[in-house]
Amino acid sequence: AQSVTQPDIHITVSEGASLELRCNYSYGATPYLFWYVQSPGQGLQLLLKYFSGDTLVQGIKGFEAEFKRSQSSFNLRKPSVHWSDAAEYFCAVPSYSSASKIIFGSGTRLSIRP
Amino acid sequence: DVKVTQSSRYLVKRTGEKVFLECVQDMDHENMFWYRQDPGLGLRLIYFSYDVKMKEKGDIPEGYSVSREKKERFSLILESASTNQTSMYLCASSLARRGGTQYFGPGTRLLVL
Repeated sequence: AQSVTQPDIHITVSEGASLELRCNYSYGATPYLFWYVQSPGQGLQLLLKYFSGDTLVQGIKGFEAEFKRSQSSFNLRKPSVHWSDAAEYFCAVPSYSSASKIIFGSGTRLSIRP
Repeated sequence: DVKVTQSSRYLVKRTGEKVFLECVQDMDHENMFWYRQDPGLGLRLIYFSYDVKMKEKGDIPEGYSVSREKKERFSLILESASTNQTSMYLCASSLARRGGTQYFGPGTRLLVL
């Protein structure tokens, strides 16, 4: 079955430290890939999206993600986190069954240590 | 600026009540979605609409129905609310194409007593 796996439920990093959030997916063809962020009490906002071309994708708020086909991964990175990055992060892929539907991972909650 | 609005941020209802959650988008998007979000379970799709009066069941449609009479408005209905429907409900919309970005509303936190 199609799936998106985020193996880390909760991560804590110090402010100014680097960050990597993991995402693995199962998908038959080259997928579209998404990272969304949800700040406390808010809806989700698109951070970045990959659909073709350069496998390193730049997003908003200084985030980037790298698509690695051989590893079926799309990990999210940021060189130096800020306290405002504390949020929940969701990786997602389009559904096989419907082009418009998206399958979300279970999310990784990021906490920032002062 | 794109906008998806939901009628309530917080809602408290009693078991057995009929509950309406409203969602409006101003982007002329064909697709609209209702998700439920629970800790550790991520987002689960309840229903999806790809056009006016058209709908498709998602992963967890039981206990819910939807209505889309106008393109910009998508309503989620809990016919008889139960305590296990206490959750965060998120509405989203997107253009009708593969890989279309979904735009989310701020969510409605529903408590059923």
